[in-house]
Amino acid sequence: DVKVTQSSRYLVKRTGEKVFLECVQDMDHENMFWYRQDPGLGLRLIYFSYDVKMKEKGDIPEGYSVSREKKERFSLILESASTNQTSMYLCASSPSPGQVRYQPQHFGDGTRLSIL
Amino acid sequence: KQEVTQIPAALSVPEGENLVLNCSFTDSAIYNLQWFRQDPGKGLTSLLLIQSSQREQTSGRLNASLDKSSGRSTLYIAASQPGDSATYLCAVRATGTASKLTFGTGTRLQVTL
Repeated sequence: DVKVTQSSRYLVKRTGEKVFLECVQDMDHENMFWYRQDPGLGLRLIYFSYDVKMKEKGDIPEGYSVSREKKERFSLILESASTNQTSMYLCASSPSPGQVRYQPQHFGDGTRLSIL
Repeated sequence: KQEVTQIPAALSVPEGENLVLNCSFTDSAIYNLQWFRQDPGKGLTSLLLIQSSQREQTSGRLNASLDKSSGRSTLYIAASQPGDSATYLCAVRATGTASKLTFGTGTRLQVTL
């Protein structure tokens, strides 16, 4: 079974802090994703990565950056946290079509981040 | 820009009923469509994935259909159980988008005893 592990279930930080959210997958997937989920807005893609050191902006990248130094790990960074970044953050991974066709994205359990 | 809509936003049914959840999308140029389940405070669990060339997929009591030309998908749940209570999300992957998904806002289902 694919396992996507997010380092924290709950996190409380202060405005202006630099915040790191970590995600690790154990299935050698090439693609990894960071989403945020807000009531009434659904899941929105922040950034994704299709290979080590490769990244692409999603729909709402402002205020965020990412790092993928190893294939299994994808980090989301809030450079200077603000209250409007309070949200549920979800990480996902999937194989590329070249690895395995027609595979769904697999999600972690999420990190509920509160910025005070 | 792809938009995905799910109706209704919430649904309550008695145990044993068959039910249908709806998903519509604005751009029919999709690669596949997925249905997910999300329990409160948890991540998403993939239920069914339908390729653009397929009409339906089945898994146990779940059946998902896809009508790409009309931009619609339905998730049919047979003989609903209280354990089916969760939020159900559909997501589409457009062609040529490197596995990016666009999600609907979900239907919150409650199955009562």
